Amino acid sequence: KQEVTQIPAALSVPEGENLVLNCSFTDSAIYNLQWFRQDPGKGLTSLLLIQSSQREQTSGRLNASLDKSSGRSTLYIAASQPGDSATYLCAATMIYNQGGKLIFGQGTELSVKP
Amino acid sequence: SQTIHQWPATLVQPVGSPLSLECTVEGTSNPNLYWYRQAAGRGLQLLFYSVGIGQISSEVPQNLSASRPQDRQFILSSKKLLLSDSGFYLCASGHYEQFFGPGTRLTVL
Repeated sequence: KQEVTQIPAALSVPEGENLVLNCSFTDSAIYNLQWFRQDPGKGLTSLLLIQSSQREQTSGRLNASLDKSSGRSTLYIAASQPGDSATYLCAATMIYNQGGKLIFGQGTELSVKP
Repeated sequence: SQTIHQWPATLVQPVGSPLSLECTVEGTSNPNLYWYRQAAGRGLQLLFYSVGIGQISSEVPQNLSASRPQDRQFILSSKKLLLSDSGFYLCASGHYEQFFGPGTRLTVL
């Protein structure tokens, strides 16, 4: 059974700092891995999707990597801004799961201080 | 791109009352549809998913049910709500990349 873990649960950084959010998984039979952002009381916004054949994806100041052999994905945020404050969730879709079901980590709550 | 609508946005219901949450999707056809629940301080739990009209798969035993009467409509229901049904309910659409609606905050008193 796949387990997705995100550490730390919370992170506070000063504005302008580059930071890395971690996501680990126990089963490497991943079809893809998706990173989301969730603002308080809101739905999830998809940030990046990495297919199993890819090693990384970039969108603006965000870069996500995937290393199936080590069971890790990272989300790199460059030059952090107060507007980046939110909870970041990673989720995996497994090769063997019907219906493309996502298995979520518990999230990292990021606070960027001005 | 897809747009997922959910209503109501907020709902307060007494224990034992019925429930109906609706989700509709624009901008795609024949999507997989999903209902997730997010309890306070916890991650997202998949409740139901559907790969087509009338096709529903349940992930966890509970007193909730789901229906898909149309291709882009997904409904979450209960005949009698429990206190433990309180939470934030999210509808999602997609195949292997999922897009989420704004959610419904349900409080059962």
